[in-house]
Amino acid sequence: QKEVEQNSGPLSVPEGAIASLNCTYSDRGSQSFFWYRQYSGKSPELIMFIYSNGDKEDGRFTAQLNKASQYVSLLIRDSQPSDSATYLCAVHVAGANNLFFGTGTRLTVIP
Amino acid sequence: SAVISQKPSRDICQRGTSLTIQCQVDSQVTMMFWYRQQPGQSLTLIATANQGSEATYESGFVIDKFPISRPNLTFSTLTVSNMSPEDSSIYLCSVEGSSTYEQYFGPGTRLTVT
Repeated sequence: QKEVEQNSGPLSVPEGAIASLNCTYSDRGSQSFFWYRQYSGKSPELIMFIYSNGDKEDGRFTAQLNKASQYVSLLIRDSQPSDSATYLCAVHVAGANNLFFGTGTRLTVIP
Repeated sequence: SAVISQKPSRDICQRGTSLTIQCQVDSQVTMMFWYRQQPGQSLTLIATANQGSEATYESGFVIDKFPISRPNLTFSTLTVSNMSPEDSSIYLCSVEGSSTYEQYFGPGTRLTVT
């Protein structure tokens, strides 16, 4: 069974702080990792993907991958109220056609 | 990324009836996926639809209840048959990206069964 675990939250951070969202996965065959943002009442939107160990930065977002620890995280710097959403972690396992999604972490950025 | 549309955006249906949801993509894609998302929950994959072949259903979902068509590389439909209130959910289609297994989602169909 390919499990993707996330803390459900809610995670609350003040505006301007760093929000740290974490995800662990069980299948060592996992090769690609994705972060989606989902606003209430909207569909998921892809914001980051990472394949290699280390950090990948895109604007205020940084994805971090540690395959040895089976851990992927998303850091949001200078958090804004507009970042308030549910963040879904998704994993692609070699040989599978689909992604495996975590249950999501709800983030609230307090002005 | 592809532009994906779904019809209808929402519907209220009576128990025992069926609803067909359409998913249209502005470019040709090989893989299309259908998900269900119940309020406050994460995504549950219903089935994967490849053009020219039968859809592959996940455990707990059967073709008689959720028949899927995939007539070409830009279009798919999902039918929710013999609906019950438990089928009330958001139904999402997604397509695979060009090279990296990412998926892009349509806007969703909010279904309420009374």
